Amino acid sequence: QVRLVESGGGVVRPGRSLRLSCAASGFTFNDYAIHWVRQAPGKGLEWVAVISFDGSNKYYADSVKGRFTISRDNSKDTLFLQLNSLRPDDTAVYYCVRARRAFDIWGQGTMVTVSS
Amino acid sequence: EIVMTQSPATLSVSPGERATLSCRASQSVSSNLAWYQQKPGQAPRLLIYAASTRATGIPARFSGSGSGTEFTLTISSLQSEDFAVYYCQQSNNWPPWTFGQGTKVEIK
Repeated sequence: QVRLVESGGGVVRPGRSLRLSCAASGFTFNDYAIHWVRQAPGKGLEWVAVISFDGSNKYYADSVKGRFTISRDNSKDTLFLQLNSLRPDDTAVYYCVRARRAFDIWGQGTMVTVSS
Repeated sequence: EIVMTQSPATLSVSPGERATLSCRASQSVSSNLAWYQQKPGQAPRLLIYAASTRATGIPARFSGSGSGTEFTLTISSLQSEDFAVYYCQQSNNWPPWTFGQGTKVEIK
């Protein structure tokens, strides 16, 4: 079935880095743009970044621009999010999300906690 | 950036009753509006896209309407599994893609 599975979350000190992965299955990965959306504990949804189907276009939320990098490996049906210079307010569940007309398939999320 | 505002923040409804949730955009988003449902500990699930089109597998008791800046999600007869948080999201002017702050539908 159509599935997205995130991994790579954990507890990290402020200023450190983390790399999230999202493995796709059940659909033609390189037909779709893929987003990252995050949700801080007890809060709403915040869009983070998107990458086009072929990786040629990338956009970021102002809150992460210059610190996070989105990428994809279509040969491995995998999406990545490199998180650098992490701050406590980056603490959240990070979801990868398939998109066409809307955000139609969501992964289960991976928790990132930034704390000293 | 388009700001999405949902009301009310919390809606208390009895099972079997109708629930009406509102979403307002700070500028026109045409019909590029989606609704998502999120239950505790779960990822969001797409309910409605293009303002009024139900996603695959979504029951007919969920309906969406509106265009421009005013949108409504209606749940015609609330079932126990419908108590959750609902988010609207615009995809007309991006980046960023923006969400409303959510409406929690709770049991009255």
